[in-house]
Order: sequence, then structure tokens, then C-alpha cells
Amino acid sequence: ETGVTQSPTHLIKTRGQQVTLRCSSQSGHNTVSWYQQALGQGPQFIFQYYREEENGRGNFPPRFSGLQFPNYSSELNVNALELDDSALYLCASSSGVGGITGELFFGEGSRLTVL
Amino acid sequence: KQEVTQIPAALSVPEGENLVLNCSFTDSAIYNLQWFRQDPGKGLTSLLLIQSSQREQTSGRLNASLDKSSGRSTLYIAASQPGDSATYLCAANAGGTSYGKLTFGQGTILTVHP
Repeated sequence: ETGVTQSPTHLIKTRGQQVTLRCSSQSGHNTVSWYQQALGQGPQFIFQYYREEENGRGNFPPRFSGLQFPNYSSELNVNALELDDSALYLCASSSGVGGITGELFFGEGSRLTVL
Repeated sequence: KQEVTQIPAALSVPEGENLVLNCSFTDSAIYNLQWFRQDPGKGLTSLLLIQSSQREQTSGRLNASLDKSSGRSTLYIAASQPGDSATYLCAANAGGTSYGKLTFGQGTILTVHP
């Protein structure tokens, strides 16, 4: 059973650019959630996807968007990057059936630096 | 709106000591509560998951308790080791249509020195 994998592990962008982060969920998991973790802070919920539909969103602007694919992998896209977007972006997968889920499993994250 | 607080923010103990990390949450209508470990610059490793109907969970030297009525959870680490040094995070899961949404505390930075 493979765990949650994320790519790239590190990347550097400049203000105004766009970035795409990728996540492969754990085998058998159909729900993916994305989190932003600023240095020294706890992770903040961005949004979640269940069966290719966005199903819950945190307090993030529309320039944060996502996709989930039929194989349950997911992408996080951020447009018009700002300096404050510099953070560790974490993907988590879980098995959700009819709104019931158990444990969330996290990947190693993608470290984004915006200059 | 759920808010999660962890106390203390940092803790330094000698090897072998038993210790308790505290987590409090404002909304008792949680589906479950999960404790994680995070090493510097790394992702989150799940330690223990307590469902709302449970009072505690144990894994090796770790024991987590949950008191929904008072909005508190504790993580007990027995016989601490230097390898336990990390940041420990607790997270409340609202469940229902928000089942993928965890509300995290700020974490407790634990240092166990030899």
C-alpha cells in the first residue's frame, strides 16, 4: 500500500506567477484535502475534494483552486502568487463513504517560496 | 467556529521523563480528534485517532484521552526518548460534510535531551 505522495518537494517562484502542486492519494482513498502551513503555525484548511467535486473550503481566496482526477489524485493551483503564499503545502487523503471518514494521512508536503 | 489551543507551546525535558501535552477545543461537536507528530520541514505523521465516542487510545508509549464535555484532549508520553523530539499537533475533525477539514492547534515543540 503506497502512502500519500506530493510533488514537487521544493520550488521557488516570484510574485505574480502561478504554481501547480500535485498529490497522489493513498491507495483506496477517495477524499483529498489541502492545507497551508506557514512557518511556526498549525496547518490551515484550504479545501477538500470528494469524488472529483470540491466539498468544503476554508478561508482562502478564489486564486487558490484545485482539481481531483478519476484516480483520486489532485492538484492545487495558486494564481497571482503573493509573498504571504510562502508556506509548506500539505495534502491529506482519507477514505470517505457517504460523508463518514476516519483517519487522515498526510504527505511530506511541497515547500513553496515566493520571492 | 472551532478553535484549538495547545499548551504548552514548548517543552524541554530530560530523557526518561513522563510528560503530558494538552489540547483544548471550543466546539464539542467533533467527529474525532487526531494527534500528529511533525519533524522539522517534514509532513505530518498520524499518532493516534480518537473517535468522539471513545475516551482514550493507546499506541506503545503513547496514550491519548478525550473529554468532549470539557473540550479537552491530552497526549501522554511515557519514558520519553531523544527520538521523541518533534512538534506535536492536535486536530479536531468536525465530520459530516466537513469530514476532510481538520482544525489544528499551533503545536507543542518537544525537546527531549539525553
